[in-house]
Amino acid sequence: DTEVTQTPKHLVMGMTNKKSLKCEQHMGHRAMYWYKQKAKKPPELMFVYSYEKLSINESVPSRFSPECPNSSLLNLHLHALQPEDSALYLCASSATGVGQPQHFGDGTRLSIL
Amino acid sequence: AQSVTQLDSQVPVFEEAPVELRCNYSSSVSVYLFWYVQYPNQGLQLLLKYLSGSTLVESINGFEAEFNKSQTSFHLRKPSVHISDTAEYFCAVSSHDKIIFGKGTRLHILP
Repeated sequence: DTEVTQTPKHLVMGMTNKKSLKCEQHMGHRAMYWYKQKAKKPPELMFVYSYEKLSINESVPSRFSPECPNSSLLNLHLHALQPEDSALYLCASSATGVGQPQHFGDGTRLSIL
Repeated sequence: AQSVTQLDSQVPVFEEAPVELRCNYSSSVSVYLFWYVQYPNQGLQLLLKYLSGSTLVESINGFEAEFNKSQTSFHLRKPSVHISDTAEYFCAVSSHDKIIFGKGTRLHILP
């Protein structure tokens, strides 16, 4: 069982829709991450939040909008996505500091029609 | 800059045979290394980690990895694999606020 919970598990949306991915952790971690993973590839970092503030944006297109409402929650708002955005979106959390391992959720599999 | 190289994209091995998944890293600072496993349709799970101390680290399911500074390697081994070990394995290095992943090695267990 994972300690990082992501909802929904699957999402199909059209290119004009607006949807949100949600992530929750109760391990007291103050760093949270969004990754995008295409098939047979490693996860690609999108965003990092540290103490509820955005600390890293890996040049992600503005159609992806992250939000960290509190220390336990992380959202990813989606709008006007493209077919190439279809992927597995993974959330992770960790304690802050160098060398801390990240704990991953099972992801949301997103399909853009 | 830190980086990780997994030389083998796929490793086929017979059930109950030993396996080694290779990982080499590049780092100019203190090294923190991880192996993650990803089973089909799941997220990544931390398998084991090297932060400091003993160079041999073990996981609860029979895997072990040895940190070798002179060879800049962190190879993953298991003396006898099971069909349930079928998965993608990622070697990773910690870098500031990020984890840098290797490209992954698919472990394919043959009956």
